[in-house]
Amino acid sequence: EVQLLESGGGLAQPGGSLRLSCAASGFTFSDYAMSWVRQAPGKGLEWISVIYRGSYTTHYADSVKGRFNISRDDSKNTLYLHLYNLRADDTALYYCAKDLYSGSGSRLSDWGQGSLVTVSS
Amino acid sequence: DIQMTQSPSSLSASVGDRVTITCQASQDISNYLNWYQQKPGKAPNLLIYDASNLKRGVPSRFSGSGSGTDFTFTISSLQPEDTGTYYCQQYDFVSLTFGGGTKLEIK
Repeated sequence: EVQLLESGGGLAQPGGSLRLSCAASGFTFSDYAMSWVRQAPGKGLEWISVIYRGSYTTHYADSVKGRFNISRDDSKNTLYLHLYNLRADDTALYYCAKDLYSGSGSRLSDWGQGSLVTVSS
Repeated sequence: DIQMTQSPSSLSASVGDRVTITCQASQDISNYLNWYQQKPGKAPNLLIYDASNLKRGVPSRFSGSGSGTDFTFTISSLQPEDTGTYYCQQYDFVSLTFGGGTKLEIK
C-alpha cells in the first residue's frame, strides 16, 4: 500500500524558512516523479513543484519560483520542499503526491494527508 | 501559462441525477486532463486521467470526455457519497494547473 507522510509544517514568520518532508513507502520511490500541491484555507488546489526521477529535472509554479526548492533523497525514500522568504499568502496545507505512472509527473494518483504551513508575525 | 476554467462553481442535484461538469483550457492540451474528487478534510482522489480513463477501483458511474480545449466530467447516477469538490487539472511538460473546483451537494 502506498503511503505518503508529510511533516515539518508549522508557524513561520514572514521572510522565514521551513523544510517540509514527505516520507514514502509501499512503492519504489526512485522510479516515480513526485509533486507538491498546496491548498490555502477554504481555497482550491495549487500545484507547486515537481521533481522527476533521478532529480535531474524540476519545475516550479511562478508563484514560488526562486523561493522554494524541491529535492529528494532516494536512499531515504523522502521528498523535500524547502520554503524560503515566506509570505502570508504561502499559508496553506501542503500535500506531496505520487504519479500514477513511473517516469511521468502529471497524474497525481496518491496523496499524503498534508502538512500545514502558517506564515504570520 | 495554461488557464483552466471550470463550471459551474457549485451545483446541487438529487440522488440518481445525471451530473455534468465542464472544464475549458486556454489552449489546446490534447487529452492531458485529469479529474479529482476531494471530500472535506481529505486529500484529493484521482478519478479520471488522460481525459477519459477511469482509475482502477473508481466506480463506473464516473466518466470523462473531451480533447483539445473542452472537457466534460459526468456522474451518470448521483449517489449520496459523491458529495465533495471536483477539480480538473491539465498538464503540459513544465507545469500542472487545476481548475477552480466545483462544489457538489446533494439536494
